[in-house]
Amino acid sequence: SQQGEEDPQALSIQEGENATMNCSYKTSINNLQWYRQNSGRGLVHLILIRSNEREKHSGRLRVTLDTSKKSSSLLITASRAADTASYFCATDRGSTLGRLYFGRGTQLTVWP
Amino acid sequence: NAGVTQTPKFQVLKTGQSMTLQCAQDMNHEYMSWYRQDPGMGLRLIHYSVGAGITDQGEVPNGYNVSRSTTEDFPLRLLSAAPSQTSVYFCASSYSVRGYEQYFGPGTRLTVT
Repeated sequence: SQQGEEDPQALSIQEGENATMNCSYKTSINNLQWYRQNSGRGLVHLILIRSNEREKHSGRLRVTLDTSKKSSSLLITASRAADTASYFCATDRGSTLGRLYFGRGTQLTVWP
Repeated sequence: NAGVTQTPKFQVLKTGQSMTLQCAQDMNHEYMSWYRQDPGMGLRLIHYSVGAGITDQGEVPNGYNVSRSTTEDFPLRLLSAAPSQTSVYFCASSYSVRGYEQYFGPGTRLTVT
């Protein structure tokens, strides 16, 4: 069964705008990860945030984590056409065995 | 480093045929895993390995076998292909079991007719 549920399923914005994607999950976690997938390609890791962290930055990416609400958000600032991709959150469901459980993803389209 | 490599890129099988999807990594990663990705379903874990000689089942293991005789290789075997196994298959590896990012291969697109 899916662990993370991304919201919205699809997002369409203009270049230069910010894109916010949300992820909700159901169980306790050790960490939550965000991945990007360009069409027809494998997944690329973006950010890992641990359960005792509230916010993390990487370049134009900002991830927040609210364990009390079991939710996370990914913000991409000043979006570019090259950011067009599917974005997935993944959690470990509290497992220490390295297993990851992915959501269905958000399809982001950035128009030039 | 080549990272995670998968072969073949595309494969068409007839129902009942068997085949092996190959996966290799050159990063000396301890952890390797196989996922399948179906439209609208995200990725689901098939099997994983926490080291050479150690494998375990994921969410959707039925119809698949794995082995891990070396650190580098983690092949996925389809025993008797079924149309329900039509999917895109991704192999991934990670430095260690817990709390590390996973590196994904480019995927194998499998169609079973």
